[in-house]
This record gives sequence, C-alpha cells and structure tokens, in this order.
Amino acid sequence: GAGVSQTPSNKVTEKGKYVELRCDPISGHTALYWYRQSLGQGPEFLIYFQGTGAADDSGLPNDRFFAVRPEGSVSTLKIQRTERGDSAVYLCASRLSENSPLHFGNGTRLTVT
Amino acid sequence: EDQVTQSPEALRLQEGESSSLNCSYTVSGLRGLFWYRQDPGKGPEFLFTLYSAGEEKEKERLKATLTKKESFLHITAPKPEDSATYLCAVRGVSGGSYIPTFGRGTSLIVHP
Repeated sequence: GAGVSQTPSNKVTEKGKYVELRCDPISGHTALYWYRQSLGQGPEFLIYFQGTGAADDSGLPNDRFFAVRPEGSVSTLKIQRTERGDSAVYLCASRLSENSPLHFGNGTRLTVT
Repeated sequence: EDQVTQSPEALRLQEGESSSLNCSYTVSGLRGLFWYRQDPGKGPEFLFTLYSAGEEKEKERLKATLTKKESFLHITAPKPEDSATYLCAVRGVSGGSYIPTFGRGTSLIVHP
C-alpha cells in the first residue's frame, strides 16, 4: 500500500517568504507527526495531531510555525517569515494505533537563501 | 525529559565483520524503544520495537536487544547494503503523550 507522501520533496525560498509543506499520511492512520531533521542530527519533534486537533505542539520553535489538519487526514506545516536557520528536512510520520510505530515519509528538504 | 545517546557516531566495517551499535536512554516509564534505518535522502524506515528488558527481536542480519538502560543493535556478517544511519528512539509515559525522542544516529559504512 501507499506510504506517507510529502510534497514538495525540495523547496528553496528566500529569507522572509512564507512556505507550506504538505503531508498525506497512510490511509486510516489517525495520528500524524511533524519532525525536523538537520544534517547529522536525529529527528526533532515539532507537533502531532490525533484526528483533527493538535494533541501536542510543544516542539514548535516559535509562533512563525503553524500546522493544520482540517479533515483529519492531510496536514500542512506553515512557516511564516522564513529564516536561514529554518533550513532542514521536515519529516512527516503517521501511526495506526496506540502501540504502533511511526511510519515516515521521505521528507521535504527546505532551503532558505 | 527523555534522552537518547547513540554510540559510536560513525562505524566502518569490512563485509562480514560483525559489530554492535549502542543506544543508551533515560526515560520515565519506558513505553517502547524503536530502531529505524535511514538511507541518504530518505525518511527513517521502521525496524523494531522493544518494550521490556530482556526482549530481543531479529530481522535478517540484525538483532536488537534491550536492558533497563540501553539497547544494542547487533549486525552479524554485514553486507554493503546494510550501510545506512541507524536511529534509536524511546517513548516514555511523560505527560501521556506518544512522542518518540530520537538519538543522533550511528552512521554505518560496510566496505566490500
């Protein structure tokens, strides 16, 4: 079956611009996660959704970052006024149930110039 | 706060040379320890979940073991296609949230 799909795979933007990153989870997976991974680092938690609501957004670095999941399936991570320090790979993951592992997409590589 | 430390940061092996990767962790009430494999330009690929000390899981040349303080990923007679970064993550009971905390990974290169 289809895995977690993330688009675009690469995004280059100028400092100060707004970007949206999209995640399409595995069908039927109720929980959806966003992580950020910098070069040589492990994934760093940003936010996760259970259904349509954000269950925990404690990892969002500041109020320039926002994420939505309006219908409980596709999610969009939104970054306002991008900064060069936002450059990283943004990973999305989903899981089926309470005791299931996370399944990741291949990420969106964001470069802020 | 859950913490994960992986060692070594990088490991180079000859094909057929067995070795182990270490994942040391601190967590309040372990609810699961996860191993993932990550290839360059790809997302992490799930390998194993371990829940309690003494548990072991195997898949092909890989075997994961768990104690109360650490986990090992043993690689037996590795092949070049085993080259990847191996990530360890833990989930604790903190706050009731299911948020795995990841380590920085071990980069494994297997030379033919």
